[in-house]
Amino acid sequence: DIQLTQSPSFLSASVGDRVTITCRASQGISSYLAWYQQKPGKAPKLLIYAASTLQSGVPSRFSGSGSGTEFTLTISSLQPEDFATYYCQQLNSPPAFGQGTKVEIK
Amino acid sequence: EVQLVESGGGLVQPGGSLRLSCAASGFTFSSYAMSWVRQAPGKGLEWVSAISGSGGSTYYADSVKGRFTISRDNSKNTLYLQMNSLRAEDTAVYYCAKPLPAVAPYYFDYWGQGTLVTVSS
Repeated sequence: DIQLTQSPSFLSASVGDRVTITCRASQGISSYLAWYQQKPGKAPKLLIYAASTLQSGVPSRFSGSGSGTEFTLTISSLQPEDFATYYCQQLNSPPAFGQGTKVEIK
Repeated sequence: EVQLVESGGGLVQPGGSLRLSCAASGFTFSSYAMSWVRQAPGKGLEWVSAISGSGGSTYYADSVKGRFTISRDNSKNTLYLQMNSLRAEDTAVYYCAKPLPAVAPYYFDYWGQGTLVTVSS
């Protein structure tokens, strides 16, 4: 099975900061990767799919890049509503999620 | 508007059984493969199972294979997860999830609110 490792697991940032989260796959997964945002007590929300395609309605400050085994999620200017936990997900069988990256207010 | 509403969670003893339901509306249910994803308290997300739109194909995580059964009733727009031989490590919030249209079956654009399953004596 393909494993995903996110880094960092936790980051502290300020409003307006540029934030980058990395997701590494144990094997190549082409561009079959998604990013989700989850707030406490809520279901995950799809942000990015196919590694770099912005889901409808998601602010353009979110962007994704990468292919193969290394991927990044970038938030260009962190907003108060962006403090949450972020997960990457690969689509190979079986589909799997990274362990999550919690973004907290500095 | 797409809606997914899970039900059926609760407290069950180890070795017991539970059936979860997910009532879907706002889209052509039979056209979509559907999945269950769970999240243990304070932990990350784990894909559990998926079923094709017709119900003819099913897929399971190794952690639940042989114990859980996914099914669907397209006439009722409802997805099910029958969970048998439950273990403490199955304790989690269980979400049903719908994929994006016309893309890969595991990019989930809609999720239910989740239903909590607690396995404890």
